[in-house]
Amino acid sequence: KNEVEQSPQNLTAQEGEFITINCSYSVGISALHWLQQHPGGGIVSLFMLSSGKKKHGRLIATINIQEKHSSLHITASHPRDSAVYICAVSPPNSGNTPLVFGKGTRLSVIA
Amino acid sequence: DAGVTQSPTHLIKTRGQQVTLRCSPKSGHDTVSWYQQALGQGPQFIFQYYEEEERQRGNFPDRFSGHQFPNYSSELNVNALLLGDSALYLCASSLSEVKAYSNQPQHFGDGTRLSIL
Repeated sequence: KNEVEQSPQNLTAQEGEFITINCSYSVGISALHWLQQHPGGGIVSLFMLSSGKKKHGRLIATINIQEKHSSLHITASHPRDSAVYICAVSPPNSGNTPLVFGKGTRLSVIA
Repeated sequence: DAGVTQSPTHLIKTRGQQVTLRCSPKSGHDTVSWYQQALGQGPQFIFQYYEEEERQRGNFPDRFSGHQFPNYSSELNVNALLLGDSALYLCASSLSEVKAYSNQPQHFGDGTRLSIL
């Protein structure tokens, strides 16, 4: 069993829909990251959070430390949101340790 | 301000050959991590370099080695290439906790896509 599990694996949505991607982890963490990967391969960091909720534009990330669960929400989805969204965690006492990644959720938003 | 740059972008090698991939970190960053991402999978941590030393290592064989230079740039070397080494190799840089005093996000390059024939 992977230390970081994401669901769903694949997601197709109509433009304008509200989207939720889930992430569960089984290890202790110092932070959880949500990343976006476009077909070219480059990865962009969307959020890094260790508690509560963060919002940036149409993206919202929440984390429940007790339940070891995080969600990434996209409001008013748009075709340009189509990408792979990856959840990753930083182990505790790290400051800067490498990340353990989920396998990603492939999102396709159709106009 | 240049972000993380990797070279080359694509590379084709044959089994048994050796390859060197290069990474220049984001300006001001002193720590470089390397990841391997197979098709359809999440990235897997290979190793991390700080102060020109390998600080942490993932579950990769000794065929995978690296180096960090005084200007913080880094190389990933893979010897005796296998078909299974075909993947996207990602470099990420960050500021060490010594300087940042808190957990820092990593900045990723666009990767080098390595194909082994």
